[in-house]
Amino acid sequence: GAVVSQHPSRVICKSGTSVKIECRSLDFQATTMFWYRQFPKQSLMLMATSNEGSKATYEQGVEKDKFLINHASLTLSTLTVTSAHPEDSSFYICSVSRGQHTEAFFGQGTRLTVV
Amino acid sequence: AQRVTQPEKLLSVFKGAPVELKCNYSYSGSPELFWYVQYSRQRLQLLLRHISRESIKGFTADLNKGETSFHLKKPFAQEEDSAMYYCAPIRPYTGGGNKLTFGTGTQLKVEL
Repeated sequence: GAVVSQHPSRVICKSGTSVKIECRSLDFQATTMFWYRQFPKQSLMLMATSNEGSKATYEQGVEKDKFLINHASLTLSTLTVTSAHPEDSSFYICSVSRGQHTEAFFGQGTRLTVV
Repeated sequence: AQRVTQPEKLLSVFKGAPVELKCNYSYSGSPELFWYVQYSRQRLQLLLRHISRESIKGFTADLNKGETSFHLKKPFAQEEDSAMYYCAPIRPYTGGGNKLTFGTGTQLKVEL
């Protein structure tokens, strides 16, 4: 069965509104979860690292005030796209690993469309 | 900084033909590389990793440090191999888990 679950799998929102995406680790506790973004016909790009109980760390060029990450428990991380704009439309994917040097398990992704 | 290059966006082969998906990397330190695959309408999943030197679904990949390559190979392509393939070095994260840097991906299409 799936190790990681994302919700929703698809969401359409209006410009200026905020959208929350959930990522759940179903099989094990994850102190760290990773958020990626994928534009159409492009590769996945790491956005940020979600750390349970502390602040997320963001990759260069990713606005932390735009993409709010909360990792309130060992099995749940949320990504909130604030004041969404059409250019935020993308596929957002989270991943977890049991530990360093091990396989990364991915969520099914969330397709965000901002209209 | 890590860089991964997958020069082919699309690779089309006939069933039964050999397949080679190219991956070149630049990496500071000892590289640790994975191949991930995404079948149609499915989530991204691990195919194989260089440290285990395994063969998964007939695919193998050898890390060539001299050529800084980690090409994915299969002697005889099958229709079910049609998918998107990503080469990805990892950066172990001190807090746990691994950050992945994905190549641009190669879409493999196996034709009958």
